[in-house]
Amino acid sequence: SAVISQKPSRDICQRGTSLTIQCQVDSQVTMMFWYRQQPGQSLTLIATANQGSEATYESGFVIDKFPISRPNLTFSTLTVSNMSPEDSSIYLCSVVIYEQYFGPGTRLTVT
Amino acid sequence: EDKVVQSPLSLVVHEGDTVTLNCSYEVTNFRSLLWYKQEKKAPTFLFMLTSSGIEKKSGRLSSILDKKELFSILNITATQTGDSAIYLCAVEHAGGTSYGKLTFGQGTILTVHP
Repeated sequence: SAVISQKPSRDICQRGTSLTIQCQVDSQVTMMFWYRQQPGQSLTLIATANQGSEATYESGFVIDKFPISRPNLTFSTLTVSNMSPEDSSIYLCSVVIYEQYFGPGTRLTVT
Repeated sequence: EDKVVQSPLSLVVHEGDTVTLNCSYEVTNFRSLLWYKQEKKAPTFLFMLTSSGIEKKSGRLSSILDKKELFSILNITATQTGDSAIYLCAVEHAGGTSYGKLTFGQGTILTVHP
């Protein structure tokens, strides 16, 4: 299994600002994934973060809005840029170590 | 387009009841099907299923996969109020750039009354 931590746990931000979410894993992993869960919805994959290469974004998500860094095999950040109320969601990072495990999540509210 | 559909979307039962949650899927490059329980923010892992017909069991929970008919069920027997949560079904993709990606269903909201 994996122990995954995320910071911050929650935040309330004003529209137009940006927030960077950190994800730390206690094991070295090749791929990390970032998901979004909008209120009342299921989880949607934003992007896959590979160490040493550009992140791969899913349809509907772009790098300018959700820039991702992956400086080493245990850490990644997701930035939510130029936020609007529609970005209010839970953001989760996950890793695959045989099974897929999720971090505790970041609850973002944009006012 | 990859699709994972869960039913029912919500379910209200009383303690001691048995429930069956359904998950059907249509995806390319299937690797596994996973069940998660979500109570607050983070989904917690329940089962990973890769082979048809082999039941996985953990306490009062069990799950099975049918790869021919493309569905899975999650059973919870003798439900307790602590089972109240959202149950998520997800399909993990295999191969190339899709490896490890999960496509989730909408979730089933289970409420267990005392």
